[in-house]
Amino acid sequence: DTEVTQTPKHLVMGMTNKKSLKCEQHMGHRAMYWYKQKAKKPPELMFVYSYEKLSINESVPSRFSPECPNSSLLNLHLHALQPEDSALYLCASSQEGHNEQFFGPGTRLTVL
Amino acid sequence: GEDVEQSLFLSVREGDSSVINCTYTDSSSTYLYWYKQEPGAGLQLLTYIFSNMDMKQDQRLTVLLNKKDKHLSLRIADTQTGDSAIYFCAEQDSSYKLIFGSGTRLLVRP
Repeated sequence: DTEVTQTPKHLVMGMTNKKSLKCEQHMGHRAMYWYKQKAKKPPELMFVYSYEKLSINESVPSRFSPECPNSSLLNLHLHALQPEDSALYLCASSQEGHNEQFFGPGTRLTVL
Repeated sequence: GEDVEQSLFLSVREGDSSVINCTYTDSSSTYLYWYKQEPGAGLQLLTYIFSNMDMKQDQRLTVLLNKKDKHLSLRIADTQTGDSAIYFCAEQDSSYKLIFGSGTRLLVRP
């Protein structure tokens, strides 16, 4: 298995909802990442997990809460989001922090 | 801080070669990457080059690295319509973060 999977593919939520994005990889990678990508822009790093521990938080608002239940799974819990949080959320993984990152297909999030 | 720059748009005719250029600022970068993104999709890793290399070839793709000028290029030989996409170069900084360029939109005309 050489891919990163993300669910759901699309998500529409209101500002008072709580939802979660999920990411999974079975490549034995020990680093996992969340990125946010707005239209016509490059991805921006949000969080990095290394060996299931949060190693980088790029000053992301607390309405985004990451979780790494095990080495194959990465979640992003969403609560009280704003319309400007609408974006493509990309998950990536790498063998270690300094290796090439492989990206999932993303979750397109729309906040109403 | 680190900065990665790319030209925004490139248009080529099918069958021609495409050259996408990128400049970066972090001289301590150890790896430099090229990713491809098709509309509505995630990023596909195309190739990467280690900073102690000048060139890397992988089928239709050739990466050239000029470390002195901090210039990276991606050449796509025999460009096809399926190559139309946005291409991002990225450098990896000392904390292993990827710093992406703004992306170059490649349009391949039949």
